[in-house]
Formats: sequence, C-alpha cells, structure tokens
Amino acid sequence: ELKVEQNPLFLSMQEGKNYTIYCNYSTTSDRLYWYRQDPGKSLESLFVLLSNGAVKQEGRLMASLDTKARLSTLHITAAVHDLSATYFCAVVESGGGADGLTFGKGTHLIIQP
Amino acid sequence: EPEVTQTPSHQVTQMGQEVILRCVPISNHLYFYWYRQILGQKVEFLVSFYNNEISEKSEIFDDQFSVERPDGSNFTLKIRSTKLEDSAMYFCASRRGGNEKLFFGSGTQLSVL
Repeated sequence: ELKVEQNPLFLSMQEGKNYTIYCNYSTTSDRLYWYRQDPGKSLESLFVLLSNGAVKQEGRLMASLDTKARLSTLHITAAVHDLSATYFCAVVESGGGADGLTFGKGTHLIIQP
Repeated sequence: EPEVTQTPSHQVTQMGQEVILRCVPISNHLYFYWYRQILGQKVEFLVSFYNNEISEKSEIFDDQFSVERPDGSNFTLKIRSTKLEDSAMYFCASRRGGNEKLFFGSGTQLSVL
C-alpha cells in the first residue's frame, strides 16, 4: 500500500523567511503533484513533477523531486501572508495502470506578518 | 480559464436516501475522477473513469457507489443508500491525458443526517 507522509503537518512562520515542506512516499511513482487548499475551498494545482531531478518554480514556490530517495520538497522563499494555506503532495503509484492519487495529510502553513 | 464545475455546492440528505452529485469536467479532458475529503482530513481517491468505464476504484468505492457519464458533458456520482459516514466534501476532477495537471472542481459538501 502506497503511503505518503508530509512534514511538518503544521508550520507557523514569519514573513520574509524561507522554509521547506517535505513529502516522502513509500513505493515507486510515476507522477507527484503539489496542491494548495485555502479553507473551505477546492484544490489548486501548483506543480506536476514527472522525473528524477525535476525542479519547477512559480513565484516564491519551488518544488523538486528525487525519485531515488522517494522524496519531494516544496520550498518557500521570502514567505508572504498570501501563501498561508494547506499544502498537499499527492502521488500516483507506478505500473499496474494505477491512476488515483494518494494524498499526504497536508501541511497547514500560517505566515504571520 | 476552463474549470470543472460541480452542482450542488451543498446537499443535505437523510440517512438511507440516494444522492446524485453532478460534475461537468473541462470539455477536452478525457480522464475523470471523484475524490472526497472528510472535514479536517486528507483527500481520498474514490474512482477514476476513462473511455466510458471505470479504470480504477478504491476500497471506499463499494457497491453503494456508482458513476456515470450520461452524455458528452456530465459526470455523476451516485450514492445509493447514504450513511452518516458518507458526510464529506466530494470533489470531481479531470485531466486531458498523459502527464498533465489534474484540475479539481469546487466540491459538493454532502451532509447525511
């Protein structure tokens, strides 16, 4: 059974600081996604990572993937209040025609002025 | 920007009743999904649908659940006899194919009383 673990689950940080959220998964994967969710809202797609060493950046967020370590990171640079949200990573298991995403529990991020 | 639309946004039902949740995926997308999120918990995969048939389903998706694509635009999730534990936010999602992003709708909040 594929397990996806995120840490930390809760993070409170100040504006202007840098931080990294980690996502570990237990089996080989074809695709890894990062999503943002605001309270009571849907999931906003941030990144899709497909291959070992993939790095994608959008604004203050940068995601990377190490398939050998089964690890993805979401790095936040110079955080601003608007980035406060819950961030989920989600993984599709390799092979066997699997298509459903297995989500982590999410990282609840609060950025204080 | 095209989006996945879901109706209704809220649905309240009595235990044992049937409910149908409706979704209109993005028009040129080929893969369709249902996920659910119980309040405060992680997002869980229910079912994926491609080429007019279920391609994968989770353990949650038992005989009480069914999906249908009755025409070229709608995608529905039916729960035959609702239970209290079916109360959750249900998200529809779609993607075009390959390794493209998975887009989520805004969700239907189902409350079973």
